[in-house]
Amino acid sequence: DSGVTQTPKHLITATGQRVTLRCSPRSGDLSVYWYQQSLDQGLQFLIQYYNGEERAKGNILERFSAQQFPDLHSELNLSSLELGDSALYFCASSSNLRDSNNEQFFGPGTRLTVL
Amino acid sequence: GDSVTQMEGPVTLSEEAFLTINCTYTATGYPSLFWYVQYPGEGLQLLLKATKADDKGSNKGFEATYRKETTSFHLEKGSVQVSDSAVYFCALQHYQLIWGAGTKLIIKP
Repeated sequence: DSGVTQTPKHLITATGQRVTLRCSPRSGDLSVYWYQQSLDQGLQFLIQYYNGEERAKGNILERFSAQQFPDLHSELNLSSLELGDSALYFCASSSNLRDSNNEQFFGPGTRLTVL
Repeated sequence: GDSVTQMEGPVTLSEEAFLTINCTYTATGYPSLFWYVQYPGEGLQLLLKATKADDKGSNKGFEATYRKETTSFHLEKGSVQVSDSAVYFCALQHYQLIWGAGTKLIIKP
């Protein structure tokens, strides 16, 4: 158990809809990362937050957005969903932004299926 | 930009065979290198890591050495078991993780 929790575990929805994925980092970790794992794109970095502020953006679509709240949990919002958004979405956390090579601890993922 | 290339799978081996999964990287600076494993239906688990050149990471019989001169981080295990069947990802980290495509390993009894 990494200490990172993600809800829900599974999500099934229809095209055009909007969903919210939630992540709670390990106790004390200030950084949260979101990754997408899809069959055609593999694993890719979406976005990183540190102590409530956006720190880095990867291949995140404009239809997607994220935020990190004062209690450090994070939410990834996916809107106008398309079939191609079906994927496993992972959240990871790490303790300290200053060290660029801080180990990241992964949650179990949320499997999103868009029908 | 930074990138990771790992050998395509699936790799199919018999139990007790020797395993090598090749991984090479392109990066600026001095990233940390990782191998993660994903068992069927599960999330990502850190298998081993190395943070600087010539470091050797090891765990559960798996090893990988950070080779700066060849920009490689090949994963090896001397004797694989059926329970090692999984997808293995090589990754480099410079703040966020940059991933290889993953290599599916199938071990037959």
